[in-house]
Amino acid sequence: GDSVTQMEGPVTLSEEAFLTINCTYTATGYPSLFWYVQYPGEGLQLLLKATKADDKGSNKGFEATYRKETTSFHLEKGSVQVSDSAVYFCALMDSSYKLIFGSGTRLLVRP
Amino acid sequence: GAVVSQHPSWVICKSGTSVKIECRSLDFQATTMFWYRQFPKQSLMLMATSNEGSKATYEQGVEKDKFLINHASLTLSTLTVTSAHPEDSSFYICSASVGRALANVLTFGAGSRLTVL
Repeated sequence: GDSVTQMEGPVTLSEEAFLTINCTYTATGYPSLFWYVQYPGEGLQLLLKATKADDKGSNKGFEATYRKETTSFHLEKGSVQVSDSAVYFCALMDSSYKLIFGSGTRLLVRP
Repeated sequence: GAVVSQHPSWVICKSGTSVKIECRSLDFQATTMFWYRQFPKQSLMLMATSNEGSKATYEQGVEKDKFLINHASLTLSTLTVTSAHPEDSSFYICSASVGRALANVLTFGAGSRLTVL
């Protein structure tokens, strides 16, 4: 079945460092891909999405490009802030419109 | 924006008792609600999909008699863990959408942590 694999955390960075969180997927067809973020004590929030190959989703300085050839959707940000500390989930939507999540990656940004 | 509230956010119960978790859409009507379960350091696993006024659709491997889901109104869905046991301890998260379950209109609750002693 469809699945999502993302790098294990925690990822610890200093403020203004470059961030990459890897995400790869296995799916039949061409699913839509998503990144969600969960801040402490809050629900998951959609961060960005891409619906077809080569699409780039972006929001709040975060970007991810839908790479069909490598089945990847890596999350990047050029300069992280302390306020970006959260858990990030990569997900795909399968043919039944169900979300399949990766295991989540905790990001900790130090001042 | 759309808000989904879960209650309680944290509950401890004795083995063999039942626990009810509520999921409410505060400022919109949710025709579809989803219940997920998350084990520590693992993915969110979809347990069931509930549509207002109809029976929930459970994912393979989820015991529908153990995890009772009721979606009695357009703003409320409940998950009842019946005869809870320690292995049911987990983080339960709901999400809600209007109309078709497109992820860009899904709103998630903050989750409910269940600990069964």
